[in-house]
Amino acid sequence: EIVLSQSPATLSVSPGERATLSCRASQSVTNNLAWYQQRPGQTPRLLIYDASTRATGIPARFSGSGSGTEFTLTISSLQSEDFAVYYCQHYHSWPPFTFGPGTIVDIK
Amino acid sequence: QVELVQSGPEVRKPGASVKVSCKASGYSFNSYGINWVRQAPGQGLEWIGWISPFSGDINYAQKLQDRVTLTTDTSSTTAFMELRSLTSDDTAIYYCARERLRLLAGHSPLDFWGLGTLVTVSS
Repeated sequence: EIVLSQSPATLSVSPGERATLSCRASQSVTNNLAWYQQRPGQTPRLLIYDASTRATGIPARFSGSGSGTEFTLTISSLQSEDFAVYYCQHYHSWPPFTFGPGTIVDIK
Repeated sequence: QVELVQSGPEVRKPGASVKVSCKASGYSFNSYGINWVRQAPGQGLEWIGWISPFSGDINYAQKLQDRVTLTTDTSSTTAFMELRSLTSDDTAIYYCARERLRLLAGHSPLDFWGLGTLVTVSS
């Protein structure tokens, strides 16, 4: 089973600042990695797939990069609606398609 | 438009079973895989399993494979998740979610999610 870890656990950022979140896989998932946003009380929303492709309707301030075992989600200028929990998930090869433990992005 | 409508909240006693439904509409049900994910209160997302409505192929998380069963009814375009021998650790919101790409393209991330079904296990 591929294990995903995320860092930091919590990221405190001021509105307008840049946020950089990391996801590391225990073995290569090539580019089969997605990022999800979950706002309080809401369902998860797909942000990024294939490591770097924005999902439909996702603003350009969200970007993803990486391949293999190291991935990054960058939010270029945080808006109030971006304060949420962010999860990475792999979908490489065959299940189980595990999630990372999440990174909380909160207001500094 | 794609929609996944899940059944309502459930309360069960320890040792009981629960079956959650997920009614899909707005797309070709047989052509996309369905995943189930759960989230315990204040915790992260936990992948439960995957099912192909087309072939019936299934894969479960190892932790739950002895207690969970995923099924689909293609005539009603509904997916089901049954969990048995419930304990308080199973208290969570259970989500169904559709894969982004058609089954023939291989596995893909989850682009449409149901609103979730809260399952509470309490004596």
